[in-house]
Amino acid sequence: KNQVEQSPQSLIILEGKNCTLQCNYTVSPFSNLRWYKQDTGRGPVSLTIMTFSENTKSNGRYTATLDADTKQSSLHITASQLSDSASYICVPGGSQGNLIFGKGTKLSVKP
Amino acid sequence: NAGVTQTPKFRVLKTGQSMTLLCAQDMNHEYMYWYRQDPGMGLRLIHYSVGEGTTAKGEVPDGYNVSRLKKQNFLLGLESAAPSQTSVYFCASSYPGGAYEQYFGPGTRLTVT
Repeated sequence: KNQVEQSPQSLIILEGKNCTLQCNYTVSPFSNLRWYKQDTGRGPVSLTIMTFSENTKSNGRYTATLDADTKQSSLHITASQLSDSASYICVPGGSQGNLIFGKGTKLSVKP
Repeated sequence: NAGVTQTPKFRVLKTGQSMTLLCAQDMNHEYMYWYRQDPGMGLRLIHYSVGEGTTAKGEVPDGYNVSRLKKQNFLLGLESAAPSQTSVYFCASSYPGGAYEQYFGPGTRLTVT
């Protein structure tokens, strides 16, 4: 059964601090893993897409890692900003019609 | 360049009524998708299309129909709405190929009473 577990469910950090979000998955077939950011009341926006052979990918202050052997991924946010407050969704999958969306980690950045 | 747009943004239906949600994209993407997002759950795929005139079922297709008569438009229909279809509906589009980004619309919040 395809499963995606994200931790923590929610997180509160102070502006300027770093944080790391975790994702464990069991998905077949698997060829890529995405991280999305979803602001409240908006559609998800892609942060990174990694194929199974990539270990890390960065997008500005966001760095994603992938260990396909242990089926784990993480998203590291550096020097957090108030605008980083959002839900972060881990999405492992195979083809475009076979993406498994996690429930997300809700991040709150406080001044 | 508007990206992916959805109409309407909000809608309230009574049980048994029908409606159509419209998705439009101006990025010339081949693939389009309809998802639903419910509290405490990840997005789930309802139907998708890999090209004009083609559609395929996703994870939760029951109670919905779709049509892709034009490449830029993807319609989601509810023939007889049920309270279980209360949800936020997102449309997305992408190029073909497993590693291409899916671009999402702003969502339609549907309540069925």
